[in-house]
Amino acid sequence: GEDVEQSLFLSVREGDSSVINCTYTDSSSTYLYWYKQEPGAGLQLLTYIFSNMDMKQDQRLTVLLNKKDKHLSLRIADTQTGDSAIYFCAESRYNFNKFYFGSGTKLNVKP
Amino acid sequence: EAGVAQSPRYKIIEKRQSVAFWCNPISGHATLYWYQQILGQGPKLLIQFQNNGVVDDSQLPKDRFSAERLKGVDSTLKIQPAKLEDSAVYLCASTDLAGSYNEQFFGPGTRLTVL
Repeated sequence: GEDVEQSLFLSVREGDSSVINCTYTDSSSTYLYWYKQEPGAGLQLLTYIFSNMDMKQDQRLTVLLNKKDKHLSLRIADTQTGDSAIYFCAESRYNFNKFYFGSGTKLNVKP
Repeated sequence: EAGVAQSPRYKIIEKRQSVAFWCNPISGHATLYWYQQILGQGPKLLIQFQNNGVVDDSQLPKDRFSAERLKGVDSTLKIQPAKLEDSAVYLCASTDLAGSYNEQFFGPGTRLTVL
């Protein structure tokens, strides 16, 4: 995932909003995704955004996409302790066939 | 629907030994991926199958890694001989590529420790 970059850690208090950021390099990316990984588990798709969209909202999750800056963010409103996990940004290229993942952001939610 | 199944969940071997991992994708999913996830990193694609054919194996260390997907369903990934740097979680994922956003469904992974 050297083409997809994320900050490594984020710590927030329960009830606050969390914002996880990601930058990517390939302008041909078709879809961008946010996956969640809990300890000992595989990755679970949280949400996705098509590359021609700027924003997508899904309950507590808001995804913002800035194509000009190749910047993607995930905002989690009213963060809960159950949101503590590693969050991966990913992009698909070449007609969805190839996926590239960032190195993940570990979100720690303090009670 | 049942998810992606992987076994074993954990494996500890000594370097130069061989090891094999098994994956059963979601029924009907034509595309299967094997990823290597080293601690602290994101998943890195090793090999991608479309049915029983290889689509992409450009990042598979072919001198020691091999994978097959006979009959286009189950898949096995083998390492022979293992090196210390192969210690990682090996994730299998599948997708049907027919969905509008191509969600990949991941199995729980096999954690390999090479001593």
